[in-house]
Amino acid sequence: AQRVTQPEKLLSVFKGAPVELKCNYSYSGSPELFWYVQYSRQRLQLLLRHISRESIKGFTADLNKGETSFHLKKPFAQEEDSAMYYCALKEGGNYKLTFGKGTLLTVNP
Amino acid sequence: EPEVTQTPSHQVTQMGQEVILRCVPISNHLYFYWYRQILGQKVEFLVSFYNNEISEKSEIFDDQFSVERPDGSNFTLKIRSTKLEDSAMYFCASRGTDYGYTFGSGTRLTVV
Repeated sequence: AQRVTQPEKLLSVFKGAPVELKCNYSYSGSPELFWYVQYSRQRLQLLLRHISRESIKGFTADLNKGETSFHLKKPFAQEEDSAMYYCALKEGGNYKLTFGKGTLLTVNP
Repeated sequence: EPEVTQTPSHQVTQMGQEVILRCVPISNHLYFYWYRQILGQKVEFLVSFYNNEISEKSEIFDDQFSVERPDGSNFTLKIRSTKLEDSAMYFCASRGTDYGYTFGSGTRLTVV
């Protein structure tokens, strides 16, 4: 069963528009969720961790346990935000990460 | 900023051959991981390694796979007899005592 679902494979917005990348999870315990970003041909980079409640590059994400969601949001998208975004769930004491399939965000000028 | 280094960046091998993918984790990190991503699919966990032994492995990580930390700095993934379906991007990652993974830039393995 899918534990992390990113329903949108592709998302295209215009520069300056708000963007929301959806992530839903399935986990019986207390979830620990992350967003990773992968710019073209580069490594996976940690963007956000829900526990830290910080804002990186203008992105925020709030854990909603009632809706089992951890959507990533940014009020004004920039062209340099174009990348692949992965939602990930930490499972177990070994810190194994279970990734969603990813959403390719394209920000058009 | 410290980086996880993976070599080679791209490897082409014939089916049935052995391959070794190499990783140099961040020097003070204690936990090491391999993940893979088949083209067009999601990133999947393969194995975690701590204190010189495997701490967890996925069902993908069968007897054809092995990991080793031979000299205290390198962390290697060996595939004994490669199959076409092993073609993927392989990511190494390391973690210190906090939550933060640092991923390498990956090795693209192509089995022909």
